[in-house]
Amino acid sequence: ELKVEQNPLFLSMQEGKNYTIYCNYSTTSDRLYWYRQDPGKSLESLFVLLSNGAVKQEGRLMASLDTKARLSTLHITAAVHDLSATYFCAVDRYNFNKFYFGSGTKLNVKP
Amino acid sequence: EAQVTQNPRYLITVTGKKLTVTCSQNMNHEYMSWYRQDPGLGLRQIYYSMNVEVTDKGDVPEGYKVSRKEKRNFPLILESPSPNQTSLYFCASRVIEGAEQFFGPGTRLTVL
Repeated sequence: ELKVEQNPLFLSMQEGKNYTIYCNYSTTSDRLYWYRQDPGKSLESLFVLLSNGAVKQEGRLMASLDTKARLSTLHITAAVHDLSATYFCAVDRYNFNKFYFGSGTKLNVKP
Repeated sequence: EAQVTQNPRYLITVTGKKLTVTCSQNMNHEYMSWYRQDPGLGLRQIYYSMNVEVTDKGDVPEGYKVSRKEKRNFPLILESPSPNQTSLYFCASRVIEGAEQFFGPGTRLTVL
């Protein structure tokens, strides 16, 4: 069974600081996804990483994928309060189309 | 507007009373999926469908049924709901493998 672990599970940080959320998964996977969820809301897609070494950036968020290490990172640069949300990573396996999500990282950016 | 819709958004029911949560997408996506979200567990996949009449089990299919008779609709059926199915349910769709999923607004189900 494929397992996805995120850490930290909770992250409280000051505005302007940098931090990284880690996503480890247990077996070979070809694709990794990052989602954001605001309280009481649905999930919004942030990044789709399709190959080893893939790096994508949007605003203050940058995601990368190392399939050999089975690790993805979501780096936050100069955090702002608007980034406060829960972030999930998920993996699916080629030709399987089954998704496995991490437990989520609840980020609180304090003004 | 491209979207995934779910109904109802909130439902309180009693043990054993059959219910259906509907899911519809207007993006002509082939892939649709159901998830449940529970605190501390993230999202867990219940069932997914690659196309009309093609469905398969996810990680936690017990107690649920699905059908895919039309491309746009993917209802989730609980034949005999139990309290451990109290959860927040999300439907999602995507166009092809490797593409992002679009999620519906969620259905909060309480089984008493």
